[in-house]
Amino acid sequence: DIQMTQSPSSLSASVGDRVTITCRASQGISNNLAWFQQKPGKAPKSLIYAASSLQTGVPSKFSGSGSGTDFTLTISSLQPEDFATYYCQQYNSFPLTFGGGTKVEIK
Amino acid sequence: EVQLVESGGGLVQPGGSLRLSCVASGFTFSDHYMDWVRQAPGKGLEWVGRSRNKAKSYTTEYAASVKGRFTISRDESKNSLYLQMNSLKTEDTAVYYCARHLSGTLAFDIWGQGTMVTVAS
Repeated sequence: DIQMTQSPSSLSASVGDRVTITCRASQGISNNLAWFQQKPGKAPKSLIYAASSLQTGVPSKFSGSGSGTDFTLTISSLQPEDFATYYCQQYNSFPLTFGGGTKVEIK
Repeated sequence: EVQLVESGGGLVQPGGSLRLSCVASGFTFSDHYMDWVRQAPGKGLEWVGRSRNKAKSYTTEYAASVKGRFTISRDESKNSLYLQMNSLKTEDTAVYYCARHLSGTLAFDIWGQGTMVTVAS
């Protein structure tokens, strides 16, 4: 199975900060990577697919990059509604696997 | 509006069975791959299995942890995806989500709200 390692596992940031979350795959997955946002008690929301493509309706403050084994999710200017847990996921091969999550908290 | 609505969760004893449903609306259900993903309380996301689209004969894939115990099926006439769960274990306790694939890709775009399954005696 492909292991997905996210870092950091949590971070504290202020409104307006630029935030970067990294995700590393244990083997190459091309650009078959997605990012999701999840708020407490809610379903995940799809943000990015194919490593850098924004899902419809997702604001452009979210961006993704990377290919192969190393990927990043960047939020350009953190807003109150962005405080949540973020997950990466590889869909290059079965079983699909998720990173452990990064909890973004208010400083 | 594109929507997925899960139901069927509840409390079941170890060794028991449960069938979850996911009703789709607002899109052509038969065109899309659909997956089940679960999340144990306080834990991360875990992929459970996939139903490919009609063009791929609704073939399925499963995670090793559920293979042989869980079965994914569809009823096209009801725009419904199902997850039949047998021989349930305490470690199957989780919120179960269905998710739609973005057309032409292997990526999820739409998620349901989830349904809670608790396996306990």
